[in-house]
Amino acid sequence: GAVVSQHPSWVICKSGTSVKIECRSLDFQATTMFWYRQFPKQSLMLMATSNEGSKATYEQGVEKDKFLINHASLTLSTLTVTSAHPEDSSFYICSARGGFSGWSIGNTEAFFGQGTRLTVV
Amino acid sequence: DAKTTQPNSMESNEEEPVHLPCNHSTISGTDYIHWYRQLPSQGPEYVIHGLTSNVNNRMASLAIAEDRKSSTLILHRATLRDAAVYYCILRTNYGQNFVFGPGTRLSVLP
Repeated sequence: GAVVSQHPSWVICKSGTSVKIECRSLDFQATTMFWYRQFPKQSLMLMATSNEGSKATYEQGVEKDKFLINHASLTLSTLTVTSAHPEDSSFYICSARGGFSGWSIGNTEAFFGQGTRLTVV
Repeated sequence: DAKTTQPNSMESNEEEPVHLPCNHSTISGTDYIHWYRQLPSQGPEYVIHGLTSNVNNRMASLAIAEDRKSSTLILHRATLRDAAVYYCILRTNYGQNFVFGPGTRLSVLP
């Protein structure tokens, strides 16, 4: 199956600094990438959807100026947490979806990165 | 995406079959039923998906009720490595993303 790679797997940063998380699709072109956040003992919550070459669409309640998303190529999307605070500590997960050639969206599996554990101290 | 309902948790003994239920009474005719699982500290992993007919792959089987209002993920022989949170998700042809519910936390006892 397709592989989505996230980097780093974990990061610890000081409060007030910015952190960049990369999400790469290794063997397919990801026209759309999704960024999720997961707090302990909770399910994944969608933060934003990004399409290559266009601005990301953020879910309600997610600050677009704080969580900067760049999807500059078909294989790379980045999430930058700016001026991170302890409450931003979470598990961040990306997902990628390729284009479709005869397959419907519903009939296509999603591919997820391994996640990035962010701890802000 | 339509809503699904799963038990919060289930237990199984190692090497025994596990049947994980999912109710989706508001499913529409074009919704696919997807199952993913999430091992501790990892991203979700695809397990299986189907539309109307039962499906089998190397990981599991998916049994879909005739009225499609429920489905069951079947792990034929649970191993300790199958301990994870299992998510049942309905996927439309129009929805962009996957909407995750709480899922079922499966514990496998040695």
